[in-house]
Amino acid sequence: SQQGEEDPQALSIQEGENATMNCSYKTSINNLQWYRQNSGRGLVHLILIRSNEREKHSGRLRVTLDTSKKSSSLLITASRAADTASYFCATDDGYGNKLVFGAGTILRVKS
Amino acid sequence: ETGVTQTPRHLVMGMTNKKSLKCEQHLGHNAMYWYKQSAKKPLELMFVYSLEERVENNSVPSRFSPECPNSSHLFLHLHTLQPEDSALYLCASSPFGGGNNEQFFGPGTRLTVL
Repeated sequence: SQQGEEDPQALSIQEGENATMNCSYKTSINNLQWYRQNSGRGLVHLILIRSNEREKHSGRLRVTLDTSKKSSSLLITASRAADTASYFCATDDGYGNKLVFGAGTILRVKS
Repeated sequence: ETGVTQTPRHLVMGMTNKKSLKCEQHLGHNAMYWYKQSAKKPLELMFVYSLEERVENNSVPSRFSPECPNSSHLFLHLHTLQPEDSALYLCASSPFGGGNNEQFFGPGTRLTVL
């Protein structure tokens, strides 16, 4: 069953703007991960945030985690055309056995 | 390049054919995964191997048969597939099994079943 659900399903912005994507999940987790997928390619890991962390940065990426609301957000600052891709959140299944992916947010950055 | 390779990249097969997908990881990881990605659906976990032992089989039809001869190689044998099996098949690996590791994905095999 689907654990993470991303919002919005699709997002279109201008180059230089910030992009924010949200993920909600249902059960307790040990960690939450964000991945990027360029069209028809494999997924690339972006960042992992553990359940005892509230915020994490990596370059232009900022991830927050609110375990009380069972939600996470991915912020991409100063977006570039090359950021155009699908973005997925993934959580462990609550037992630490496997990763469960959401349906993803399609981000389009217009130059 | 993530260190995970998949061949072939594209495959077209009839419903009566038998084919195999191959995945190889050069990362020294102990766990390998097969995922199915269909249009507008979340990634579906199919199989998990940890230390060459299958630890997860997510109710996948028997027309999909995985094989893990060693920790670096993973195969997905296909036979008597249906058109609805057309999808992107992704292989991934991680240092250990479970949901607490970053997974490294291959580029995928785009499968079309006629």
